[in-house]
Amino acid sequence: KQEVTQIPAALSVPEGENLVLNCSFTDSAIYNLQWFRQDPGKGLTSLLLIQSSQREQTSGRLNASLDKSSGRSTLYIAASQPGDSATYLCAAPMTTDSWGKLQFGAGTQVVVTP
Amino acid sequence: DGGITQSPKYLFRKEGQNVTLSCEQNLNHDAMYWYRQDPGQGLRLIYYSQIVNDFQKGDIAEGYSVSREKKESFPLTVTSAQKNPTAFYLCASSTMGQGETQYFGPGTRLLVL
Repeated sequence: KQEVTQIPAALSVPEGENLVLNCSFTDSAIYNLQWFRQDPGKGLTSLLLIQSSQREQTSGRLNASLDKSSGRSTLYIAASQPGDSATYLCAAPMTTDSWGKLQFGAGTQVVVTP
Repeated sequence: DGGITQSPKYLFRKEGQNVTLSCEQNLNHDAMYWYRQDPGQGLRLIYYSQIVNDFQKGDIAEGYSVSREKKESFPLTVTSAQKNPTAFYLCASSTMGQGETQYFGPGTRLLVL
């Protein structure tokens, strides 16, 4: 069974610093991994999806890497801004046969202070 | 605008009462999902559906029921058998296929009176 872990659970950085968020998964035979953002009391917004054939995916200030052999994905947010304050969740398919079922990590709550 | 809507935003349940959470999507997605989120925890899958009139249990289906009579709609009923229903409930949808991005609604917060 796929298990997804995110450490740390919370992170506070001053504005302008780069953010590094970690995600670990137990079943390395995944075909993709997704990163989501959740604002307090809101639904999830998809940020990046990395296919198993990719090592990186970029969107603006966001860059996500995927290392299947070590069971890790990292989300980098460059030059953080107060608007980046949110909870970031990663999710991996529950099994290699899954077509849509995702296993979510508990998330990392980020606070960017002005 | 295309998207997923959930209603109500807040819902209060009395002891022994069944309550129904609404989820509607106009993205023409075949797959729909219901998740439960508790404070400090990730999302846990309650039910999912790939096609009209068909749905499967997720990891925590006990005390919940769903229906899928229309492609656009996937309502979730929290029954009186669910002894700890206080949580944030999220509905999502996606196209069929491996690794498709899921799109989420704004959520419904259920509280017990």
